[in-house]
Amino acid sequence: GENVEQHPSTLSVQEGDSAVIKCTYSDSASNYFPWYKQELGKGPQLIIDIRSNVGEKKDQRIAVTLNKTAKHFSLHITETQPEDSAVYFCAAAPSGSARQLTFGSGTQLTVLP
Amino acid sequence: NAGVTQTPKFRILKIGQSMTLQCTQDMNHNYMYWYRQDPGMGLKLIYYSVGAGITDKGEVPNGYNVSRSTTEDFPLRLELAAPSQTSVYFCASSYDRSSGNTIYFGEGSWLTVV
Repeated sequence: GENVEQHPSTLSVQEGDSAVIKCTYSDSASNYFPWYKQELGKGPQLIIDIRSNVGEKKDQRIAVTLNKTAKHFSLHITETQPEDSAVYFCAAAPSGSARQLTFGSGTQLTVLP
Repeated sequence: NAGVTQTPKFRILKIGQSMTLQCTQDMNHNYMYWYRQDPGMGLKLIYYSVGAGITDKGEVPNGYNVSRSTTEDFPLRLELAAPSQTSVYFCASSYDRSSGNTIYFGEGSWLTVV
């Protein structure tokens, strides 16, 4: 089955700096890669996703890049703000199978004011 | 619009006790899921349902049961609670099986088995 590894497990950045979280996956059949943000005491919330036919996707301060050859994808947050502090999860799934969504172990991002 | 609602938020169980975690969604989603989240780990799928009357096992189903009598509700039952079931449980839903459709999560239920 799919195995998703996520690094780093914790990340501290100064407000205004950029943050990068990286994930690798093992199953070449995976072609859907969402990122979730989980605030303290809340459920995960989708913030951005990318499909395998696209190499990069941006949404304001958030971007995701995908390298299918190397089987890795990354989340980039620019101009970080204190409200970006949360746990971020990457995930991977083959198309048409949300039940096969495999999650990474999470990254605790802390943005220092 | 409530989305996915779980109850209770917190619960302490004694070993061997039983309980049901309730989950309801008001988005008319066909697919519903139960995940558990252990410290420092990602979410693991316990059970899922593709529609009323249909349920199937996920990655970690042992010790749990589910039912789906209506589109809206998807309760998770623990029959004989064990310390290994201490975890945070998330119910979720999505419109259909395509992994491109957003999965919406509830706010979680913190369960401690002592």
